Amino acid sequence: GENVEQHPSTLSVQEGDSAVIKCTYSDSASNYFPWYKQELGKRPQLIIDIRSNVGEKKDQRIAVTLNKTAKHFSLHITETQPEDSAVYFCAASPRSNYKLTFGKGTLLTVNP
Amino acid sequence: SQTIHQWPATLVQPVGSPLSLECTVEGTSNPNLYWYRQAAGRGLQLLFYSVGIGQISSEVPQNLSASRPQDRQFILSSKKLLLSDSGFYLCAWNTGGIDEQFFGPGTRLTVL
Repeated sequence: GENVEQHPSTLSVQEGDSAVIKCTYSDSASNYFPWYKQELGKRPQLIIDIRSNVGEKKDQRIAVTLNKTAKHFSLHITETQPEDSAVYFCAASPRSNYKLTFGKGTLLTVNP
Repeated sequence: SQTIHQWPATLVQPVGSPLSLECTVEGTSNPNLYWYRQAAGRGLQLLFYSVGIGQISSEVPQNLSASRPQDRQFILSSKKLLLSDSGFYLCAWNTGGIDEQFFGPGTRLTVL
């Protein structure tokens, strides 16, 4: 089955800096890669996703890049703010409308 | 619009007691339904998923079971809880043509 590795497990940045979280996956058939943000005690919420026919996607301060050849994808957050502090999860799925395999998460702390 | 409910929100149970957690989805039909467990400070572990009434796939062998008695109802059960069953249980759904999984508010289970 699919295996998703996520690094780093913790990341601390100063407000205004950029943050990068990286994930690798094992199943070459995977074609859907979402990123979820989970605040303490809350449910995970989708912040951005990318499909295998796209190499990069942006939404304001957030971007995701995908390298299918190397089987890795990354989340980039620019101009970080304290409210970006949360746990971020990457995931992969082999097809639409199917189960997700999650990474173990990255605790991002943005220091004011 | 679609909404997902879980109850109870919190639960404290003794070791060896039974468990029943309920998840219901409103505003959609024939959803895929998922149960995840999140141990403290850990990632999301997929426990069960269901593509239709009475159709359950188990991802991890354990003392938990799942049932889907109605189209939009998903139940997680155990006959005898273990200490290791403590965690944050999340139900999620998606449906045809939508890759994103939407998570419920979760149930925090403590087994003493």
